Amino acid sequence: DIQMTQSPSSMSVSLGDTVTITCRASQDVGIYVNWFQQKPGKSPRRMIYRATNLADGVPSRFSGSRSGSDYSLTISSLESEDVADYHCLQYDEYPRTFGGGTKLELK
Amino acid sequence: EVQLVESGGGLVQPGRSLKLSCAASGFTFSNYYMAWVRQAPKKGLEWVATISTSGSRTYYPDSVKGRFTISRDNAKSSLYLQMNSLKSEDTATYYCARQLGAGDYWGQGVMVTVSS
Repeated sequence: DIQMTQSPSSMSVSLGDTVTITCRASQDVGIYVNWFQQKPGKSPRRMIYRATNLADGVPSRFSGSRSGSDYSLTISSLESEDVADYHCLQYDEYPRTFGGGTKLELK
Repeated sequence: EVQLVESGGGLVQPGRSLKLSCAASGFTFSNYYMAWVRQAPKKGLEWVATISTSGSRTYYPDSVKGRFTISRDNAKSSLYLQMNSLKSEDTATYYCARQLGAGDYWGQGVMVTVSS
């Protein structure tokens, strides 16, 4: 199975920060990585698809990138509404696997 | 407007069965792979099952293979998850999702609690 190792598991942030979350894939998954945002009691919301594509309606301060087997979600100039949990997903192979999640908390 | 509405959750004893449903609307259901994803309390997301457009192909992780069965009724635009031999570790919120690789639409989730 492909492991998606997500880091950090939690992060204390301030408004206006630039935040980067990373998932490292245990084997090649190409571009087939999505990023989801999830707020308490809510369903996941797709933020980035195919590693680098911004989903509809997602603010441009969000971006996705890839460097080898490392996939990153970056939030520039963090706003209060961005404080949430974030999850990566690889869908190159079955079983589909998610990263362990990253919880953003305000300092 | 795309909508996915799960139902069928609840409290069930270990070893018993439960069937979840997901009613889809606002899109041509038969054109999309569908999936179930779960989230244990205060834990991350876990993929549970995927089914092809016709239902002829299904996929599961080892954690549920042989116990869970995903199915669909394209005429009713409905997705199902039959869960047998339930264990305490199956306690989670279960989400249906349209084409997980796209991940663009998810239901609101339904809670399943496995406890005696």
